[in-house]
Amino acid sequence: DGGITQSPKYLFRKEGQNVTLSCEQNLNHDAMYWYRQDPGQGLRLIYYSQIVNDFQKGDIAEGYSVSREKKESFPLTVTSAQKNPTAFYLCASSILGVNTEAFFGQGTRLTVV
Amino acid sequence: AQSVTQLDSHVSVSEGTPVLLRCNYSSSYSPSLFWYVQHPNKGLQLLLKYTSAATLVKGINGFEAEFKKSETSFHLTKPSAHMSDAAEYFCVVSLMNTGFQKLVFGTGTRLLVSP
Repeated sequence: DGGITQSPKYLFRKEGQNVTLSCEQNLNHDAMYWYRQDPGQGLRLIYYSQIVNDFQKGDIAEGYSVSREKKESFPLTVTSAQKNPTAFYLCASSILGVNTEAFFGQGTRLTVV
Repeated sequence: AQSVTQLDSHVSVSEGTPVLLRCNYSSSYSPSLFWYVQHPNKGLQLLLKYTSAATLVKGINGFEAEFKKSETSFHLTKPSAHMSDAAEYFCVVSLMNTGFQKLVFGTGTRLLVSP
């Protein structure tokens, strides 16, 4: 089945630790995205990538880092610099261009204690 | 700047009654608009999209939306609600920024369906 796989589904970390969220897609999409979702705020863009070895900051990139070494993979690291990391994180992908549908993974719920 | 406003944070309906989820947009040109649905602790799924073709757009699961430029609205409707429609719905506008499509999400409307 084609789609986007995020792992793990739930993640608990201690404050001050870095943590990496996995996102893999087999849709052959060039564009990949990371969003953060908080209650009542919709989705906010963290980082996006249009091509391998290139990525751009979104609206709330501070405290996060990404890499795009392979077309299929776009991992997100939540660093200790992120002041409020507890949230639901969603990865998405799409073909390049206008009016294109974004396909979403099932999300990772990160809780920092 | 382009944005969308979802006018209701929660909407409650009874099963079998019509659904109306309201969305207004602001844009300096004709926008591309989407509705996505999210079931609890799940990813988002596209319901429908408007891309300047027909103003009445039909989507999956019996949903449809009408683009009204004069009212800057893109409300989502369904004639008869089903229990499985209970979810959160997001109105989304697409921006083009240096060749990259950026999706701007509304804050969401939670649809509650009672028996």
